[in-house]
Amino acid sequence: DTEVTQTPKHLVMGMTNKKSLKCEQHMGHRAMYWYKQKAKKPPELMFVYSYEKLSINESVPSRFSPECPNSSLLNLHLHALQPEDSALYLCASSQDGQGWSGSKNIQYFGAGTRLSVL
Amino acid sequence: SQKIEQNSEALNIQEGKTATLTCNYTNYSPAYLQWYRQDPGRGPVFLLLIRENEKEKRKERLKVTFDTTLKQSLFHITASQPADSATYLCALTPYSGGGADGLTFGKGTHLIIQP
Repeated sequence: DTEVTQTPKHLVMGMTNKKSLKCEQHMGHRAMYWYKQKAKKPPELMFVYSYEKLSINESVPSRFSPECPNSSLLNLHLHALQPEDSALYLCASSQDGQGWSGSKNIQYFGAGTRLSVL
Repeated sequence: SQKIEQNSEALNIQEGKTATLTCNYTNYSPAYLQWYRQDPGRGPVFLLLIRENEKEKRKERLKVTFDTTLKQSLFHITASQPADSATYLCALTPYSGGGADGLTFGKGTHLIIQP
């Protein structure tokens, strides 16, 4: 099973709402990632979790709050978002990424959550 | 600053021909480089990884080359088919390695294979 499952597929929220995006993988991967993708742009890295610990935060505003409850689950909590935060949010996982061979940093992506902030 | 550039935003190729996509980078010293395919509304799908000590990698109709002197990777699809139409992304890790690294993607090339 090489599947990363993201829910919900679509989300519409107001600027005062609080919502969460969820991501799940059962490949035994120990690294998980959040990316943001705007239309006609490449995915941009937001956060990296390695062995359930936050290892990289790409200067993401605090209205985005990641959480990794266990090695299979990754959440992204959203609060007080702005309309410019509307995008496709992608979750990915990899074996881990340690070492120089690169093969452990091959990333498996979910289909994404299409977020619209009104 | 670190940059990844893919040569064209869009590339139109006739079915059966070879499509060649280019990825150039600056201010990286990558141990490896990856190529992904992305279809509209979907997440990227991994295609190939090539390491700095490998000149060429093949998988079925796909071939990737990696020239660390030129700081360039070429991605080829031979005997192209309309089903190959998609956006192709090259990706590098911006970090020094040794841990779980996120990827930095080029802007992508939108490949259209015309019947």
